[in-house]
Amino acid sequence: DGGITQSPKYLFRKEGQNVTLSCEQNLNHDAMYWYRQDPGQGLRLIYYSQIVNDFQKGDIAEGYSVSREKKESFPLTVTSAQKNPTAFYLCASSPGMGPQHFGDGTRLSIL
Amino acid sequence: GDSVTQMEGPVTLSEEAFLTINCTYTATGYPSLFWYVQYPGEGLQLLLKATKADDKGSNKGFEATYRKETTSFHLEKGSVQVSDSAVYFCALISAYSGAGSYQLTFGKGTKLSVIP
Repeated sequence: DGGITQSPKYLFRKEGQNVTLSCEQNLNHDAMYWYRQDPGQGLRLIYYSQIVNDFQKGDIAEGYSVSREKKESFPLTVTSAQKNPTAFYLCASSPGMGPQHFGDGTRLSIL
Repeated sequence: GDSVTQMEGPVTLSEEAFLTINCTYTATGYPSLFWYVQYPGEGLQLLLKATKADDKGSNKGFEATYRKETTSFHLEKGSVQVSDSAVYFCALISAYSGAGSYQLTFGKGTKLSVIP
């Protein structure tokens, strides 16, 4: 079955540490996205990529970085510069203008 | 810019009650409209969509009609079940989101709890 796989499901970060969240899709979608979800709030866009080797900042990119070396993969790094990283992170992909398909998310917490 | 406004939650209903979750939008041109559902601890799943005025999206007993004249896309279900308890998000994609991007603009979500 085609879909989006996010890993790990739970992740813990220590002070001053960078952590990387994985997102892989086998839907052959060109576009991929990272969102942050905080309790009781909607989704906020962190970064998106419409094509390999290209990505754009979303609304809350500070403290995050991404890469898009392969069509299937769009990892997100939460850097030590992100002072409030505790949140639920969702990855999505879409075939251009079509609806976005989401992974099951990674919950990041601070130790 | 584009925006989506949903009714504030939480909404608590008894099983078999009628559900309406209001959604209105502001967008340039003719956006595509979506309802997503998020079950506890999971990602978002596409529930239904509509791409032009007067289209009706439907799935799993849920329906929503694209009303251009009122810029609305209200979600309805005739008889809710306990298993429908989740957070529901209204969203749009506008061709004018900027620079050819296909970014979704989300509402803040409405939490629905259905009690037996």
